[in-house]
Amino acid sequence: AQTVTQSQPEMSVQEAETVTLSCTYDTSESDYYLFWYKQPPSRQMILVIRQEAYKQQNATENRFSVNFQKAAKSFSLKISDSQLGDAAMYFCALMDSSYKLIFGSGTRLLVRP
Amino acid sequence: DVKVTQSSRYLVKRTGEKVFLECVQDMDHENMFWYRQDPGLGLRLIYFSYDVKMKEKGDIPEGYSVSREKKERFSLILESASTNQTSMYLCASSLGGAVDEQFFGPGTRLTVL
Repeated sequence: AQTVTQSQPEMSVQEAETVTLSCTYDTSESDYYLFWYKQPPSRQMILVIRQEAYKQQNATENRFSVNFQKAAKSFSLKISDSQLGDAAMYFCALMDSSYKLIFGSGTRLLVRP
Repeated sequence: DVKVTQSSRYLVKRTGEKVFLECVQDMDHENMFWYRQDPGLGLRLIYFSYDVKMKEKGDIPEGYSVSREKKERFSLILESASTNQTSMYLCASSLGGAVDEQFFGPGTRLTVL
């Protein structure tokens, strides 16, 4: 069975600082995709970043980047220059060829002004 | 922009009632999904559909059914609501035929008394 684990229920970061959210996963598939989703207090879930497992290069989207360690099955999210608007629940998710997403339990990110 | 809408943001029902949660997407997506979100558990897949009149069980289908009579609409049905179905319900959609991000609705907070 595929699993996604987020071991940090809550993280806190000072505005303008950098924070890293951890995610590990387990799958027997060779072809899969990894996602980080953000859920602000308004509840609309939005995609932050995605990573194809066959790509060695880590994905980057502006202030958001990932550290993808395929052998270790690790997929962490780094947020640089944190902003108040980054405060949200962050979910790591795994997708295989069935197009279904398997989510982790989430990490609540608090941003201190 | 892709828009996924859900019929209600908040819903209160009584035990034993039949409950309908509606989801509509406006981007001609083939795939549609229903999740429930509970604290500490992340999002868990209830049912999904790859096409009109098609449905597949997810990880927690017990107590739920779905209907997809039109491509843009995917309904979640609780035949006889129970208190353990009190939760946040999220609908999502994605393009068919390829791995792609899922676009989420705002969610319905269902309380069963």
